[in-house]
Amino acid sequence: ETGVTQSPTHLIKTRGQQVTLRCSSQSGHNTVSWYQQALGQGPQFIFQYYREEENGRGNFPPRFSGLQFPNYSSELNVNALELDDSALYLCASSLSGTTTLAKNIQYFGAGTRLSVL
Amino acid sequence: AQKITQTQPGMFVQEKEAVTLDCTYDTSDPSYGLFWYKQPSSGEMIFLIYQGSYDQQNATEGRYSLNFQKARKSANLVISASQLGDSAMYFCAMREGRRGGADGLTFGKGTHLIIQP
Repeated sequence: ETGVTQSPTHLIKTRGQQVTLRCSSQSGHNTVSWYQQALGQGPQFIFQYYREEENGRGNFPPRFSGLQFPNYSSELNVNALELDDSALYLCASSLSGTTTLAKNIQYFGAGTRLSVL
Repeated sequence: AQKITQTQPGMFVQEKEAVTLDCTYDTSDPSYGLFWYKQPSSGEMIFLIYQGSYDQQNATEGRYSLNFQKARKSANLVISASQLGDSAMYFCAMREGRRGGADGLTFGKGTHLIIQP
């Protein structure tokens, strides 16, 4: 158990709808990262939130947006859903603000499986 | 260009044997971290082991060790005395040090390891 919890576990939406996924980070962690994992692929980095601001982003369009709250929990919002958005969405928490990458190990939740019909 | 390459889509190994999962990486950043994660069918990514680019010794964590060959840009995972519970997808990942690692993890496509009794 990593202490990272995601909700819901499964979700079915139709094309064009909007979706919000939620993540509670591990106690003591201040950074949340989101990843999209298509079937049979490795996860792809969507963005990272640190101190309630997005401080890193992968190659995803603006309809993918997020929030981080003062308690370090986070939301991923996807607007105008497309069929290709069907995937496992993984949230990872870590402790940033240290000087070495060694202390910034990301711990993942079990993910939200999104199906877009 | 792919930054992480895992050339073994699937592997079958007899229980109690040692297994090596291959990973090569590509980066021009002198500071980077290499990670291995295990993903069972439940979906959660489980952190296994970490190697920093400046670490002089190969990392070890229980039955897991990382064979780090910097000149060859290779970071193979070695699992000693494999167990049935080791059956899962295994992902190699890298985070570059620029921007404090805010660009997230880059994952390979994974290796599906099946341990046979």
